[in-house]
Order: sequence, then structure tokens, then C-alpha cells
Amino acid sequence: DVKVTQSSRYLVKRTGEKVFLECVQDMDHENMFWYRQDPGLGLRLIYFSYDVKMKEKGDIPEGYSVSREKKERFSLILESASTNQTSMYLCASSVPGTQYFGPGTRLLVL
Amino acid sequence: AQTVTQSQPEMSVQEAETVTLSCTYDTSENNYYLFWYKQPPSRQMILVIRQEAYKQQNATENRFSVNFQKAAKSFSLKISDSQLGDTAMYFCAFMNLFGNEKLTFGTGTRLTIIP
Repeated sequence: DVKVTQSSRYLVKRTGEKVFLECVQDMDHENMFWYRQDPGLGLRLIYFSYDVKMKEKGDIPEGYSVSREKKERFSLILESASTNQTSMYLCASSVPGTQYFGPGTRLLVL
Repeated sequence: AQTVTQSQPEMSVQEAETVTLSCTYDTSENNYYLFWYKQPPSRQMILVIRQEAYKQQNATENRFSVNFQKAAKSFSLKISDSQLGDTAMYFCAFMNLFGNEKLTFGTGTRLTIIP
């Protein structure tokens, strides 16, 4: 059974903090993705990775970076969290033609 | 670039009735996938149904079926015999067949099934 896990369901951080969101998949998928979900905007792609140490910017990469040191793990990094990064963050991994999603992390930046 | 439009932010329907959610998209590609994803209040995004653009036959999964009109770039989801567990956000999404498997999402439709 396909499984994508995210390190936290809920997270509260202060403005200016460095924040790490972790995502792990156990299916040996090549591609992994980070989206943010906001009401009325749907899901928007932040970054994706198509191999270890390979990454590409998505539609809204500003204020974010990513790391993929191992195939199963894809981390999203907020270098200096800001209140406008309060959102739901969803990780996904894929096989050709289908993406599988994690449960999401709801991040609140105060 | 692709765009996906869902023009119904919210819908509600009585239990056991049939409901149709609308989705239109814009692309210059000829080979692609279209999806409907469901996100219940617990927030786990679940794949409901997938349609390959090169297939003329509409996809069906139990009570869920699509009406895929490629020329019109329309991709609606029909839920028959709706159940309380169908209450969720529904997202329409697009993926190029030859690409990095990125999804482009619509803004979603919040569906409520009324007992």
C-alpha cells in the first residue's frame, strides 16, 4: 500500500524562525513534490524533485528551499518564516500518471 | 502553461441524489491526464478517478464517473447515490503525459451531502 508521511500534522512557529517540514515515502518513487494549499487558491506547487539532490522550482518558490539527500525523504525549508507562510503544506510522490499525497501539515506562523 | 477552472466553490445535495461537479481546463498539449481528487475533513488527499486524454471512453469507478469532452476541454465528475462520506473538497487536476508529473489544480469545490 502506498504511504507518504509528513513529520507533523500541526506546527506553530514564530516569525523569523527556520522551519523544516519533512516528508517520507516508502515506495521508491523518483519524483516528490511540495504544495501549499490556501482557501480559494487550491494547491500550488512550491518545489519538486525528480531525483536525489535534484530539484526544480514550482510556481511559488519564493521564501522556500528544499533538500533531498535520500530518495525517500524530501524536506521543505522556510529559511525565515513569515506570517504569509501560514498555510497547509502537502507533500506528494508519484509514479507515471499518478500522485500520492501525505496527510498535510498545518503551519501557523505567529 | 495549463490552467484548471472549477466554477462552483460550494455545492450541497441530499443524500442518495446525484451531483455533478464541473471542471474546465486550458492546454495546448494533446496528451495528458485529468484527475479528480477528494479531500475529506481529515485532510488526506485521495485519488477518486483518472482519465487519460487519449482514451475516448469515460472513466468510471463505482459511483463516480466522468464526462470528458476533449474538444470542449471539459471534465465533470458525477457522483451517483451520494453518501454522507462523500462530503469533502473535490479538486480537479491536470498532468502532462510527458513531463515531470506535476499537477496543476483547480481551486476546488466544497461538497456537502445533507442527511
